[in-house]
Amino acid sequence: DTAVSQTPKYLVTQMGNDKSIKCEQNLGHDTMYWYKQDSKKFLKIMFSYNNKELIINETVPNRFSPKSPDKAHLNLHINSLELGDSAVYFCASSGTAYNEQFFGPGTRLTVL
Amino acid sequence: GENVEQHPSTLSVQEGDSAVIKCTYSDSASNYFPWYKQELGKRPQLIIDIRSNVGEKKDQRIAVTLNKTAKHFSLHITETQPEDSAVYFCAASLNTDKLIFGTGTRLQVFP
Repeated sequence: DTAVSQTPKYLVTQMGNDKSIKCEQNLGHDTMYWYKQDSKKFLKIMFSYNNKELIINETVPNRFSPKSPDKAHLNLHINSLELGDSAVYFCASSGTAYNEQFFGPGTRLTVL
Repeated sequence: GENVEQHPSTLSVQEGDSAVIKCTYSDSASNYFPWYKQELGKRPQLIIDIRSNVGEKKDQRIAVTLNKTAKHFSLHITETQPEDSAVYFCAASLNTDKLIFGTGTRLQVFP
């Protein structure tokens, strides 16, 4: 069984479009995250939700809007896509403090 | 906020040799230091972690050391194997809520 899953795995789209990435975890974890990994492999946190509430919101453009319908799901919606948004986006989840973060398989977003 | 520096950016070793990757962090309040391994095209996966109340931790061929005074922590891989080839990331956080990752080290193990 997949612990943290993301869809789609690949996303190719034109500049200016709006797209969403979905994430689901079946680990019963309370906290979920979105990370961005750029072409140089830098991994940077974007958002974190705990029990459907936003707890971390890094310096991310307003075009990015996370939504957590329940604690097992955290989706990422991106408006007006730009070339610089091209990256791999990873969802992750963790249980209580001092527990590891489990990453999803990633979504490779390419903006043309 | 926390800042994590990681060195070297690339590391090539012969199979059977040891590899050491070093990280420094800036926020003395950080208390959780995981290491992740990311194989090409795959997700990052935790290989070992250490809390601030411990100075060293070992798991078979992998060990991590932490020097809280100097704000340094290191990953040691002994008897390296070709399957150890990957990008390794260190990270630091307070209570795991917000992992700040280092810039990654690409390890290549040559047979």
